[in-house]
Amino acid sequence: ELKVEQNPLFLSMQEGKNYTIYCNYSTTSDRLYWYRQDPGKSLESLFVLLSNGAVKQEGRLMASLDTKARLSTLHITAAVHDLSATYFCAVDKGGVDSNYQLIWGAGTKLIIKP
Amino acid sequence: NAGVTQTPKFRVLKTGQSMTLLCAQDMNHEYMYWYRQDPGMGLRLIHYSVGEGTTAKGEVPDGYNVSRLKKQNFLLGLESAAPSQTSVYFCASSYERGGFSYNEQFFGPGTRLTVL
Repeated sequence: ELKVEQNPLFLSMQEGKNYTIYCNYSTTSDRLYWYRQDPGKSLESLFVLLSNGAVKQEGRLMASLDTKARLSTLHITAAVHDLSATYFCAVDKGGVDSNYQLIWGAGTKLIIKP
Repeated sequence: NAGVTQTPKFRVLKTGQSMTLLCAQDMNHEYMYWYRQDPGMGLRLIHYSVGEGTTAKGEVPDGYNVSRLKKQNFLLGLESAAPSQTSVYFCASSYERGGFSYNEQFFGPGTRLTVL
């Protein structure tokens, strides 16, 4: 059974600092997704990672995927308050019968203080 | 292009009452999903559909039913609501991509349901 674990689950940091959120998953998959959710809002797609070594960057956020280690990272550079949100990773369940089901991590609540 | 919409946005039910949540998408997507989101538990898949007239169970289907009579609509029903069904419900959709396919899902705004 595919399990997805994120850590940390909660992160409070100062503006200007760098930090990394980790997403580990338990079985083979080469499709991983990062989403952002603002409080009381819906989920917004940030990154789609589709192969080993994939790296995507958008502004101060950079995501990478290591399928051999079953690990994805979301790195925040020089954090700003606007990046405060909950970040989720999700992994394709895979397999013939999966019908593109995603298995979700519990989310990392990120608070960035001025 | 409205994307994925959900109706209603908020609802309060008493135990034992029934209701239907409506999800609509105007992107001509084949796949549609219903999730529930509870604090600290991420998203859990309730039911999903891979096309008009088809539905399948997800991770937590008990107490829910779904229908997809039209490609653009996916309905989630609670026949006899229970307090354990208090949650935020999200609908999502995605489309079949040719070749090396993947499943980036697009989400609706959510429905906040409270069962007393």
